[in-house]
Amino acid sequence: NAGVTQTPKFRVLKTGQSMTLLCAQDMNHEYMYWYRQDPGMGLRLIHYSVGEGTTAKGEVPDGYNVSRLKKQNFLLGLESAAPSQTSVYFCASNPSGGAAEQYFGPGTRLTVT
Amino acid sequence: GENVEQHPSTLSVQEGDSAVIKCTYSDSASNYFPWYKQELGKGPQLIIDIRSNVGEKKDQRIAVTLNKTAKHFSLHITETQPEDSAVYFCAVYNAGNMLTFGGGTRLMVKP
Repeated sequence: NAGVTQTPKFRVLKTGQSMTLLCAQDMNHEYMYWYRQDPGMGLRLIHYSVGEGTTAKGEVPDGYNVSRLKKQNFLLGLESAAPSQTSVYFCASNPSGGAAEQYFGPGTRLTVT
Repeated sequence: GENVEQHPSTLSVQEGDSAVIKCTYSDSASNYFPWYKQELGKGPQLIIDIRSNVGEKKDQRIAVTLNKTAKHFSLHITETQPEDSAVYFCAVYNAGNMLTFGGGTRLMVKP
């Protein structure tokens, strides 16, 4: 099993450009999450999904959109990138929700200039 | 919402010594407390967790203690080794499918 994979690994955007980050998991997990990691701030939840076709807002959802059209994929979109969105983005999944181990992908480093 | 504070932000120990990282939380309804280890260039990985009905849990050189009254929990690593060098995150769960993470501790184990 590949576990949780993320595409791309690195990306540089100019302010105002858009992009989509792809997360894929092959563990048949119901729950999927998108976090951003900034120095000294730990991981903050952007959006999450409790199953195919569902999405919900996390702690810092502004400026991001998500979609879960297939159970194994969770997409994070930036419609108009801003320098404040420079961060490392992690996707995670788990079978049963919050009070259980989350399995993280390797991350995507995004720089917005 | 939940507020999680983690200390220290950096910790340097000599190989073989013990390391302790502490987290405090604000919501007394919180009931699940995991610790994650993040190695350079990788995603976080769960190393140990504890639930609110347990005061202490141990797994080889790693232990976690929970004080619900004081609303804090700690990660203890004994006999540290160079491969323990990483960033460690505590997290807290109470409801709403969301984990709240601490700010992280960079542990450096000097050979």
